[in-house]
Amino acid sequence: EVQLVQSGAEVKKPGTTVKISCKVSGYTFTDYYIHWVRQAPGRGLEWMGLVDPEDGGTRYAEKFQGRVTITADTSADTAYMDLSSLRSEDTAIYYCAFGRSSSTLSAEYFQHWGQGTLVSVSS
Amino acid sequence: DIQMTQSPSTLSAYVGDRVTITCRASQSISRWLAWYQQKPGKAPKLLIYEASTLESGVPSRFSGSRSGTEFTLTISSLQPDDFATYFCQQYHINSPYTFGQGTKLEI
Repeated sequence: EVQLVQSGAEVKKPGTTVKISCKVSGYTFTDYYIHWVRQAPGRGLEWMGLVDPEDGGTRYAEKFQGRVTITADTSADTAYMDLSSLRSEDTAIYYCAFGRSSSTLSAEYFQHWGQGTLVSVSS
Repeated sequence: DIQMTQSPSTLSAYVGDRVTITCRASQSISRWLAWYQQKPGKAPKLLIYEASTLESGVPSRFSGSRSGTEFTLTISSLQPDDFATYFCQQYHINSPYTFGQGTKLEI
Protein backbone atom coordinates (compact mmCIF):
# COMPACT_ATOMS: atom_id res chain seq x y z
CA GLU A 1 0.00 0.00 0.00
CA VAL A 2 1.40 3.38 -1.02
CA GLN A 3 1.62 5.80 1.90
CA LEU A 4 2.92 9.36 2.20
CA VAL A 5 3.34 10.57 5.78
CA GLN A 6 4.08 14.22 6.38
CA SER A 7 5.65 16.03 9.31
CA GLY A 8 3.55 17.89 11.84
CA ALA A 9 2.02 21.33 11.98
CA GLU A 10 4.27 24.38 12.12
CA VAL A 11 3.85 27.89 13.47
CA LYS A 12 6.32 30.35 11.94
CA LYS A 13 7.13 34.05 12.08
CA PRO A 14 7.08 36.18 8.93
CA GLY A 15 10.40 36.16 7.10
CA THR A 16 11.45 32.74 8.35
CA THR A 17 11.70 29.39 6.55
CA VAL A 18 9.62 26.24 6.99
CA LYS A 19 10.76 22.74 6.08
CA ILE A 20 8.18 19.97 5.66
CA SER A 21 8.99 16.31 5.13
CA CYS A 22 7.09 13.59 3.28
CA LYS A 23 8.14 10.00 3.95
CA VAL A 24 6.91 7.47 1.44
CA SER A 25 6.43 3.72 1.64
CA GLY A 26 4.87 0.95 -0.39
CA TYR A 27 6.73 1.58 -3.64
CA THR A 28 10.19 2.35 -5.03
CA PHE A 29 10.82 5.98 -4.15
CA THR A 30 12.87 6.73 -7.25
CA ASP A 31 10.20 5.50 -9.67
CA TYR A 32 7.78 8.44 -9.37
CA TYR A 33 7.90 12.20 -8.96
CA ILE A 34 6.80 13.80 -5.71
CA HIS A 35 4.76 16.99 -6.03
CA TRP A 36 3.85 19.65 -3.49
CA VAL A 37 0.44 21.32 -3.52
CA ARG A 38 -0.94 23.85 -1.07
CA GLN A 39 -4.41 24.95 -0.04
CA ALA A 40 -5.03 28.22 1.76
CA PRO A 41 -7.96 28.26 4.24
CA GLY A 42 -11.23 27.94 2.38
CA ARG A 43 -9.45 28.14 -0.96
CA GLY A 44 -8.55 25.93 -3.89
CA LEU A 45 -5.47 23.88 -4.68
CA GLU A 46 -2.21 25.38 -5.92
CA TRP A 47 0.68 23.41 -7.38
CA MET A 48 4.09 24.48 -6.09
CA GLY A 49 6.62 22.15 -7.67
CA LEU A 50 8.01 18.67 -8.01
CA VAL A 51 11.13 16.60 -7.51
CA ASP A 52 12.36 13.58 -9.42
CA PRO A 53 13.87 11.44 -6.64
CA GLU A 54 15.92 9.49 -9.16
CA ASP A 55 18.18 12.39 -10.05
CA GLY A 56 17.06 15.23 -7.79
CA GLY A 57 15.75 17.23 -10.73
CA THR A 58 13.14 19.84 -9.84
CA ARG A 59 10.53 22.02 -11.47
CA TYR A 60 8.80 24.90 -9.70
CA ALA A 61 5.74 27.01 -10.32
CA GLU A 62 6.79 30.49 -11.42
CA LYS A 63 4.99 32.02 -8.44
CA PHE A 64 7.30 30.26 -5.99
CA GLN A 65 10.59 30.45 -7.91
CA GLY A 66 13.33 31.69 -5.62
CA ARG A 67 11.39 30.90 -2.43
CA VAL A 68 10.78 27.16 -2.67
CA THR A 69 13.29 24.33 -2.64
CA ILE A 70 12.20 20.72 -3.03
CA THR A 71 14.65 17.91 -2.39
CA ALA A 72 14.66 14.13 -2.06
CA ASP A 73 16.72 11.89 0.20
CA THR A 74 16.78 8.44 -1.35
CA SER A 75 18.46 6.92 1.72
CA ALA A 76 15.39 7.85 3.77
CA ASP A 77 12.67 7.59 1.10
CA THR A 78 11.73 11.14 2.05
CA ALA A 79 11.02 14.30 0.12
CA TYR A 80 11.32 17.78 1.60
CA MET A 81 9.84 21.15 0.79
CA ASP A 82 11.45 24.37 2.08
CA LEU A 83 9.55 27.63 1.73
CA SER A 84 11.45 30.77 2.69
CA SER A 85 10.60 34.44 3.33
CA LEU A 86 7.29 33.37 4.79
CA ARG A 87 4.40 35.83 4.88
CA SER A 88 0.89 35.63 6.26
CA GLU A 89 -0.46 34.66 2.83
CA ASP A 90 1.56 31.43 3.05
CA THR A 91 -0.71 30.19 5.83
CA ALA A 92 -2.08 27.01 4.30
CA ILE A 93 -2.16 23.25 4.36
CA TYR A 94 0.73 21.82 2.37
CA TYR A 95 0.37 18.40 0.74
CA CYS A 96 2.86 16.11 -0.91
CA ALA A 97 1.47 13.91 -3.66
CA PHE A 98 2.62 10.95 -5.71
CA GLY A 99 2.57 11.78 -9.39
CA ARG A 100 1.45 9.10 -11.81
CA SER A 101 1.40 9.29 -15.57
CA SER A 102 -0.78 7.15 -17.83
CA SER A 103 1.06 8.12 -21.00
CA THR A 104 4.41 9.39 -22.24
CA LEU A 105 2.38 12.19 -23.86
CA SER A 106 1.18 13.62 -20.56
CA ALA A 107 2.41 14.93 -17.25
CA GLU A 108 1.11 13.46 -13.97
CA TYR A 109 -2.08 13.29 -12.03
CA PHE A 110 -1.89 12.88 -8.25
CA GLN A 111 -2.77 9.34 -7.32
CA HIS A 112 -1.82 9.37 -3.64
CA TRP A 113 -1.57 12.23 -1.17
CA GLY A 114 0.00 12.85 2.19
CA GLN A 115 -2.26 13.81 5.07
CA GLY A 116 -1.29 17.48 4.84
CA THR A 117 0.76 19.80 7.05
CA LEU A 118 -0.73 23.02 8.38
CA VAL A 119 1.68 25.93 8.31
CA SER A 120 0.55 29.04 10.17
CA VAL A 121 2.47 32.27 9.62
CA SER A 122 1.88 34.97 12.18
CA SER A 123 3.85 37.58 14.07
CA ASP B 1 -0.63 28.96 -17.79
CA ILE B 2 -3.71 26.94 -18.65
CA GLN B 3 -6.76 28.24 -16.79
CA MET B 4 -9.41 25.79 -15.58
CA THR B 5 -12.86 27.27 -15.14
CA GLN B 6 -15.06 25.06 -12.98
CA SER B 7 -18.79 25.41 -12.48
CA PRO B 8 -20.90 25.66 -10.50
CA SER B 9 -19.03 26.77 -7.37
CA THR B 10 -21.81 25.40 -5.18
CA LEU B 11 -24.41 22.77 -5.97
CA SER B 12 -27.32 21.73 -3.78
CA ALA B 13 -28.84 18.32 -4.43
CA TYR B 14 -30.70 15.42 -2.85
CA VAL B 15 -29.70 11.85 -2.27
CA GLY B 16 -30.52 9.94 -5.44
CA ASP B 17 -30.09 12.92 -7.76
CA ARG B 18 -27.93 12.88 -10.87
CA VAL B 19 -25.48 15.78 -10.80
CA THR B 20 -22.98 17.22 -13.24
CA ILE B 21 -19.93 19.38 -12.64
CA THR B 22 -18.08 21.04 -15.50
CA CYS B 23 -14.51 22.20 -16.10
CA ARG B 24 -13.46 24.16 -19.14
CA ALA B 25 -9.79 24.51 -20.12
CA SER B 26 -8.50 27.77 -21.62
CA GLN B 27 -6.71 25.80 -24.33
CA SER B 28 -6.48 22.23 -25.57
CA ILE B 29 -5.29 19.72 -22.96
CA SER B 30 -6.29 16.62 -24.90
CA ARG B 31 -7.64 14.13 -22.37
CA TRP B 32 -5.22 15.06 -19.60
CA LEU B 33 -7.67 15.91 -16.88
CA ALA B 34 -8.25 14.43 -13.44
CA TRP B 35 -11.07 14.81 -10.92
CA TYR B 36 -10.67 14.74 -7.16
CA GLN B 37 -13.03 14.60 -4.20
CA GLN B 38 -12.11 16.37 -0.97
CA LYS B 39 -13.89 16.12 2.36
CA PRO B 40 -13.35 18.61 5.21
CA GLY B 41 -10.01 18.12 6.95
CA LYS B 42 -8.87 15.48 4.48
CA ALA B 43 -6.53 15.32 1.51
CA PRO B 44 -8.03 15.17 -1.97
CA LYS B 45 -8.84 11.72 -3.31
CA LEU B 46 -8.38 10.80 -6.97
CA LEU B 47 -11.62 9.77 -8.68
CA ILE B 48 -10.95 9.92 -12.42
CA TYR B 49 -7.91 10.46 -14.64
CA GLU B 50 -7.42 10.81 -18.38
CA ALA B 51 -10.85 12.51 -18.44
CA SER B 52 -12.87 9.31 -18.17
CA THR B 53 -10.85 6.51 -16.55
CA LEU B 54 -12.18 5.53 -13.14
CA GLU B 55 -9.53 5.09 -10.47
CA SER B 56 -9.48 1.65 -8.89
CA GLY B 57 -11.94 1.35 -6.01
CA VAL B 58 -14.05 4.37 -6.99
CA PRO B 59 -17.78 3.56 -7.28
CA SER B 60 -19.16 3.24 -10.79
CA ARG B 61 -21.76 5.97 -10.16
CA PHE B 62 -18.90 8.40 -10.88
CA SER B 63 -18.07 9.00 -14.51
CA GLY B 64 -16.17 11.53 -16.60
CA SER B 65 -16.44 12.72 -20.15
CA ARG B 66 -14.83 15.17 -22.53
CA SER B 67 -16.00 17.33 -25.40
CA GLY B 68 -13.14 19.38 -26.78
CA THR B 69 -11.92 21.54 -23.93
CA GLU B 70 -15.01 20.95 -21.78
CA PHE B 71 -14.92 18.17 -19.21
CA THR B 72 -17.75 16.79 -17.12
CA LEU B 73 -17.91 14.82 -13.90
CA THR B 74 -21.24 13.06 -13.40
CA ILE B 75 -22.52 11.33 -10.31
CA SER B 76 -25.42 9.18 -11.44
CA SER B 77 -27.21 8.71 -8.11
CA LEU B 78 -25.97 10.77 -5.19
CA GLN B 79 -25.17 8.94 -2.01
CA PRO B 80 -24.75 10.56 1.42
CA ASP B 81 -21.00 9.93 1.25
CA ASP B 82 -20.72 12.00 -1.95
CA PHE B 83 -21.35 15.36 -0.34
CA ALA B 84 -17.92 16.96 -0.58
CA THR B 85 -15.92 19.41 -2.68
CA TYR B 86 -14.77 18.38 -6.15
CA PHE B 87 -11.79 19.72 -8.08
CA CYS B 88 -10.56 19.22 -11.60
CA GLN B 89 -6.86 19.34 -12.51
CA GLN B 90 -5.16 19.54 -15.88
CA TYR B 91 -1.84 17.81 -16.48
CA HIS B 92 -0.90 18.80 -19.99
CA ILE B 93 2.77 18.08 -20.61
CA ASN B 94 5.20 21.00 -20.24
CA SER B 95 2.55 23.18 -18.65
CA PRO B 96 2.28 24.13 -14.97
CA TYR B 97 -0.33 22.02 -13.24
CA THR B 98 -3.52 23.94 -12.55
CA PHE B 99 -6.77 23.18 -10.76
CA GLY B 100 -10.33 24.34 -11.05
CA GLN B 101 -11.69 26.51 -8.25
CA GLY B 102 -13.76 23.67 -6.81
CA THR B 103 -17.44 22.75 -6.54
CA LYS B 104 -18.97 22.29 -3.14
CA LEU B 105 -21.75 19.71 -3.31
CA GLU B 106 -24.25 20.28 -0.53
CA ILE B 107 -27.24 18.36 0.70
